[in-house]
Amino acid sequence: NAGVTQTPKFRILKIGQSMTLQCAQDMNHNYMYWYRQDPGMGLKLIYYSVGAGITDKGEVPNGYNVSRSTTEDFPLRLELAAPSQTSVYFCASSYSRGRGNTIYFGEGSWLTVV
Amino acid sequence: GIQVEQSPPDLILQEGANSTLRCNFSDSVNNLQWFHQNPWGQLINLFYIPSGTKQNGRLSATTVATERYSLLYISSSQTTDSGVYFCAVGETSGSRLTFGEGTQLTVNP
Repeated sequence: NAGVTQTPKFRILKIGQSMTLQCAQDMNHNYMYWYRQDPGMGLKLIYYSVGAGITDKGEVPNGYNVSRSTTEDFPLRLELAAPSQTSVYFCASSYSRGRGNTIYFGEGSWLTVV
Repeated sequence: GIQVEQSPPDLILQEGANSTLRCNFSDSVNNLQWFHQNPWGQLINLFYIPSGTKQNGRLSATTVATERYSLLYISSSQTTDSGVYFCAVGETSGSRLTFGEGTQLTVNP
């Protein structure tokens, strides 16, 4: 199993550009998440999904969009990138909530908006 | 939403010392996990522990759900233990994890 795979690992965007961060998991997990981590800070939840076709906002959803057309994939779309979106983005997945709901993280995507 | 507070924010140890990290949370939870983020940014799950006590080698964790706190114990610390330790909790009524701000641990040789 590859676990949770994120691409790209590093990206520099210009203000106003758009891009998609890809996330895929091969563990047949129901739940998938996108977090962002600013320097020296904890992780903030952007969006999450409890299954294919279902997504919901987290703490900091503004400026982002997601879709979940399959169980495996959960892409994060940045529209009109702003410097405030410079951050490290982590995708994660888990089987379900409740007992045994260990969450697994991808290796992160470092995004800089200039 | 639920509030998660971790203490201390920073901790510096000499190799071989023991330490205790604390996580307080403001509401009932059905999910609590401890993570280690290494200096390269990788997040590793240490424990899934919504209640009770678990041990894994030099690390152990205890969660007292009724009093809304969890403790992570690190014994005989090593330089490779350096990094940030995060506590994350899931509310009983929800589907998502909320992270604390972390404890930055530095273990010096």
